[in-house]
Amino acid sequence: DAKTTQPTSMDCAEGRAANLPCNHSTISGNEYVYWYRQIHSQGPQYIIHGLKNNETNEMASLIITEDRKSSTLILPHATLRDTAVYYCIVRYGGSQGNLIFGKGTKLSVKP
Amino acid sequence: DGGITQSPKYLFRKEGQNVTLSCEQNLNHDAMYWYRQDPGQGLRLIYYSQIVNDFQKGDIAEGYSVSREKKESFPLTVTSAQKNPTAFYLCASQRQNPSQTGGPGQPQHFGDGTRLSIL
Repeated sequence: DAKTTQPTSMDCAEGRAANLPCNHSTISGNEYVYWYRQIHSQGPQYIIHGLKNNETNEMASLIITEDRKSSTLILPHATLRDTAVYYCIVRYGGSQGNLIFGKGTKLSVKP
Repeated sequence: DGGITQSPKYLFRKEGQNVTLSCEQNLNHDAMYWYRQDPGQGLRLIYYSQIVNDFQKGDIAEGYSVSREKKESFPLTVTSAQKNPTAFYLCASQRQNPSQTGGPGQPQHFGDGTRLSIL
């Protein structure tokens, strides 16, 4: 599975959009981009995933660049409860193996 | 609601004791996983199972055992052979893909974890 690079930490004002970047320059054609988050002392929560096209669900939007070498997770209206570590993971779509979590980005939403 | 239930939330183990962590899912997922998370670190795979009555070792299986007698259940036993069992244990499940090399991406869904400590 390809590696990802994320900033160590970010701040966001409550009510504003949080834009979390991820670089995955060695991603291959059939690898998906997944985003998870982990709030302290809880299990990782799946947020969204995509292959080529931009995706949106009730939690977030995922913007993938045309060359697929980077992506951005957007939380449109961040709340204090969105404070967490956010992980970007790339993985083959058919993979049944383990998820490889890197260091992630610690997002702090401030009032 | 469909989901993954881990119990107990907190568990204490005495020296020389085996303890079993429960993981149940009602998502009708075929694959289930056990991970271990140490403070400030990522997840490490202990065991996983893609089908009932079959399971494979992950990266750190020594000192652990599992069973998969039912699709819904994948209990993890931490044996006395595991010398450093204090950690946060996470169970996950995933819908099976028909192909190992392709097919739509399927996310893994996690329980809320069990925190194991040594007395």
